[in-house]
Amino acid sequence: AQSVTQPDIHITVSEGASLELRCNYSYGATPYLFWYVQSPGQGLQLLLKYFSGDTLVQGIKGFEAEFKRSQSSFNLRKPSVHWSDAAEYFCAVGVPTSGNTPLVFGKGTRLSVIA
Amino acid sequence: NAGVTQTPKFRVLKTGQSMTLLCAQDMNHEYMYWYRQDPGMGLRLIHYSVGEGTTAKGEVPDGYNVSRLKKQNFLLGLESAAPSQTSVYFCASLTGTGAYEQYFGPGTRLTVT
Repeated sequence: AQSVTQPDIHITVSEGASLELRCNYSYGATPYLFWYVQSPGQGLQLLLKYFSGDTLVQGIKGFEAEFKRSQSSFNLRKPSVHWSDAAEYFCAVGVPTSGNTPLVFGKGTRLSVIA
Repeated sequence: NAGVTQTPKFRVLKTGQSMTLLCAQDMNHEYMYWYRQDPGMGLRLIHYSVGEGTTAKGEVPDGYNVSRLKKQNFLLGLESAAPSQTSVYFCASLTGTGAYEQYFGPGTRLTVT
């Protein structure tokens, strides 16, 4: 079965600084990969997804993520963080061959942004 | 197009009471899911459905029941609520073809005292 690890529970960055959130997955082949964001008191919103092809994917709100097969990673990046990016971020993995298999989510990384 | 909606948004129950959470989607999605979110635990799958009339257990199904009598609705029931079921519950749906993107509802905050 697939699994997801987000090693960082909480990260604090200064506004304007760059950001990288880590995500490692366990799956025997190339999975579908997702990053979701959850603002306080809200549901989850999809930031970006990777299915195949170009390993660098662009998402909404200026985020990007890079799939590295050799490292089983799908890290999320943003070159310049804004205060409105403060939220919780979840990485998720899906099984390409079966839409019946639900996504598996990591435990999340909480991002705080300071002035 | 409302997407995924959840009813109610907030609820307080006493131990032993029962309730039903309603999830509705207007996107004609095949798959629907119920998750619970607890601090430091991420989202854990309770039950899911791959089509009308079908249900399956997820990671943490104990104490919950579900039904999918209509394609657009997915109900989550708590027969005898316990304090351990205090959580935020999220519903999600997925088309089942192509995009493979789960759409989430806004959540229901449940407190069991």
